[in-house]
Amino acid sequence: DTGVSQDPRHKITKRGQNVTFRCDPISEHNRLYWYRQTLGQGPEFLTYFQNEAQLEKSRLLSDRFSAERPKGSFSTLEIQRTEQGDSAMYLCASSSRTVQEAFFGQGTRLTVV
Amino acid sequence: AQSVTQLDSQVPVFEEAPVELRCNYSSSVSVYLFWYVQYPNQGLQLLLKYLSGSTLVKGINGFEAEFNKSQTSFHLRKPSVHISDTAEYFCAVSETTGKLIFGQGTTLQVKP
Repeated sequence: DTGVSQDPRHKITKRGQNVTFRCDPISEHNRLYWYRQTLGQGPEFLTYFQNEAQLEKSRLLSDRFSAERPKGSFSTLEIQRTEQGDSAMYLCASSSRTVQEAFFGQGTRLTVV
Repeated sequence: AQSVTQLDSQVPVFEEAPVELRCNYSSSVSVYLFWYVQYPNQGLQLLLKYLSGSTLVKGINGFEAEFNKSQTSFHLRKPSVHISDTAEYFCAVSETTGKLIFGQGTTLQVKP
């Protein structure tokens, strides 16, 4: 297992288009998190899964954003009708209940033009 | 609600000099504390963590941090920095779910 994997690494899209990102966590981790990071800021929490259940969503996660984790394995984050303000780095992390440490992927950098 | 304040947005320092990056947190419950490092266009890598026990925590790359409950601080230190330590550093506090609340980050600029 090489760690948390995110795909794609970079995405450029036109305003109004839909985009989907994928995150593959470390295989034995049952917790998965999505964060958003804009330039010069710390990552901000978006949502959290324990296994396949989405247990918490930030107010930052507008109704244009949806996340899933079918079967408690990989996760997808979809943004519908993208806006320029959605341009950011989207980070995925995973952890387990027994190991209080989150491992991060390399992130997906989204640019909305 | 929990929050994290990193007191310095940028810290310039010469190579081989000591450095301290400051972090204060607020929380009404016991917390876990972390320092992460981020290199350009990369994800975050854990430097060190405080969960319980000794208040002096040692991490990777020669970094250490001290948990001070009375001052609600978790400052990061390194006795001698290298050019390769130039990066963005984030202090974070976590809840029992593992969700992380991050500070704004401190840019460490190591000059030759």
